[in-house]
Amino acid sequence: QSALTQPASVSGSPGQSITISCTGTSSDVGGYNYVSWYQQHPGKAPKLMIYEVSNRPSGVSNRFSGSKSGNTASLTISGLQAEDEADYYCSSYTSSSTLEVFGGGTKLTVL
Amino acid sequence: QVQLQESGPGLVKPSQTLSLTCTVSGGSISSGSYYWSWIRQPAGKGLEWIGRIYTSGSTNYNPSLKSRVTISVDTSKNQFSLKLSSVTAADTAVYYCAREDRYSYGLIGYWGQGTLVTVSS
Repeated sequence: QSALTQPASVSGSPGQSITISCTGTSSDVGGYNYVSWYQQHPGKAPKLMIYEVSNRPSGVSNRFSGSKSGNTASLTISGLQAEDEADYYCSSYTSSSTLEVFGGGTKLTVL
Repeated sequence: QVQLQESGPGLVKPSQTLSLTCTVSGGSISSGSYYWSWIRQPAGKGLEWIGRIYTSGSTNYNPSLKSRVTISVDTSKNQFSLKLSSVTAADTAVYYCAREDRYSYGLIGYWGQGTLVTVSS
């Protein structure tokens, strides 16, 4: 069982917006602003999309945005495109000895 | 452009030791700004952080694997390595090496392409 909880799947139509949640505890998501989001296409390595809750690396579309409220972080993708169909993982720093934990992943389907 | 490339056997027998090496190009592994990490992903499942090493040699490991994991660094070759002992079928996964920002936990900006390691007799 993953330390961070994500919905198994979400879907949306092209042009729509979707939000993926990532729920943890006060020892990880809620306690630190070190939440990252990764996009992973089949057979490929993960790609960093958001770091420190809401920052986008250079080159990542501004259609991707991140936020946090309490123990839940969220990734929002606006103006859905077919190429956004992928698995998305959140991660967070944790004060436990594990140091870093991932969510179980969310499969995004673009209808 | 930094690139990371995993290498090592794709098949390991149960109870033996899994050994992988990550070669870093386009940047120095001795840079003080990064941790060098290993992450794995069983087929159809999520990501699991294994551990990381700093250029000084200091390490952090996932407690669930700590008794079996050793990560080392060879700055002269710009490489770092993973050893996982006493493997079982549960250790079958794609193993990724990655570069993590030292000053922003979880900021893994560069990943290797991943290498599949199967544990089977």
